[in-house]
Amino acid sequence: GQQVMQIPQYQHVQEGEDFTTYCNSSTTLSNIQWYKQRPGGHPVFLIQLVKSGEVKKQKRLTFQFGEAKKNSSLHITATQTTDVGTYFCAGPDGGTASKLTFGTGTRLQVTL
Amino acid sequence: DSGVTQTPKHLITATGQRVTLRCSPRSGDLSVYWYQQSLDQGLQFLIHYYNGEERAKGNILERFSAQQFPDLHSELNLSSLELGDSALYFCASSGGQGALWNEQFFGPGTRLTVL
Repeated sequence: GQQVMQIPQYQHVQEGEDFTTYCNSSTTLSNIQWYKQRPGGHPVFLIQLVKSGEVKKQKRLTFQFGEAKKNSSLHITATQTTDVGTYFCAGPDGGTASKLTFGTGTRLQVTL
Repeated sequence: DSGVTQTPKHLITATGQRVTLRCSPRSGDLSVYWYQQSLDQGLQFLIHYYNGEERAKGNILERFSAQQFPDLHSELNLSSLELGDSALYFCASSGGQGALWNEQFFGPGTRLTVL
């Protein structure tokens, strides 16, 4: 079945440093979603990318969908302690959002 | 607050027992999804219901079953519980038929501990 891997598994940065997580799918994706889960919380939708090569920005967060639509990245500029959490990418399995395969997640820790 | 509610928040039970987890989707959402989150397995899709009908199944064990009722709330039944079933169970909802571009709204989860 479809597999979605993320690297790194864990990253610890100092506040103000940049952070990037990479997402790779074993199959071509029709779209990719990103979610954030705070410690002790539930996943919260951040964004969806649809087009090949698409780049979207949300304040300090930049999301990119690869040209082959098999990979994606999330870059955070100048991290803050509020960015702490686990970031998941997720892609529809078989082209329908009925079955969403979540990536393995990247846990971000930010210290002062 | 996502608008999705789940009960109970915590559940502690013994091996071999049966439990029922309940989920109420956001108002107007017809789709309900169930996920299992454990430390070593990440966030695993279990099952998707749309307007009362099963639409997709993940790697859901035969000991697990779910249904969605006419009022759109959903229940996940876990039976013959094993230690390995201890996990956080999330319900999520979305509008439409689970078509493309539907973000999912997650509930706060039910933490199940099997002793």
